[in-house]
Amino acid sequence: TQLLEQSPQFLSIQEGENLTVYCNSSSVFSSLQWYRQEPGEGPVLLVTVVTGGEVKKLKRLTFQFGDARKDSSLHITAAQPGDTGLYLCAGAKVNNFNKFYFGSGTKLNVKP
Amino acid sequence: NAGVMQNPRHLVRRRGQEARLRCSPMKGHSHVYWYRQLPEEGLKFMVYLQKENIIDESGMPKERFSAEFPKEGPSILRIQQVVRGDSAAYFCASSPGQNLQETQYFGPGTRLLVL
Repeated sequence: TQLLEQSPQFLSIQEGENLTVYCNSSSVFSSLQWYRQEPGEGPVLLVTVVTGGEVKKLKRLTFQFGDARKDSSLHITAAQPGDTGLYLCAGAKVNNFNKFYFGSGTKLNVKP
Repeated sequence: NAGVMQNPRHLVRRRGQEARLRCSPMKGHSHVYWYRQLPEEGLKFMVYLQKENIIDESGMPKERFSAEFPKEGPSILRIQQVVRGDSAAYFCASSPGQNLQETQYFGPGTRLLVL
């Protein structure tokens, strides 16, 4: 059983569409990270959120940490083919900051 | 500033052989983490090391797997007597080791294939 559940697992959309991916858990996290991973490469950090209710924006990407610090969402506006990749969320628990629990990812394909 | 480096990038072993995976953390980083990723899955934590110390190995299989991070040189993840189920991508990450809660920066991974 995954500690962090991501949905949807797969998403294929046209360039210019908006999308939201979710990362949910029944556990509380001290921080939550979003990574993007391309085939054959390691995950690249996009953002870290630490405060319940926190919203962070990175160009067309908006990240939100749930009020209770159990869930997070990533919204992409006007998706582009360059956004294609595997989006992973990872959480660190309150009593163990250095051990990250990863979700299984959302595989996004943006078609031109 | 070079990122986290891992080598080899690809490794092929026959069942029963040993696999050695190396990780050089970012300059100035003293904490290293190893993760394993199966196809179409997220990363699974294996072990967390500081220089010369294993801090958390709760994700490491009890047999055949070991990890070290010596005072000098890279961190090594060693898999003895490999089996087909060990085939996966192994990622190393590093962090500075100065705060309780730190960003982990990942290397490009080593893809292990056991024939």
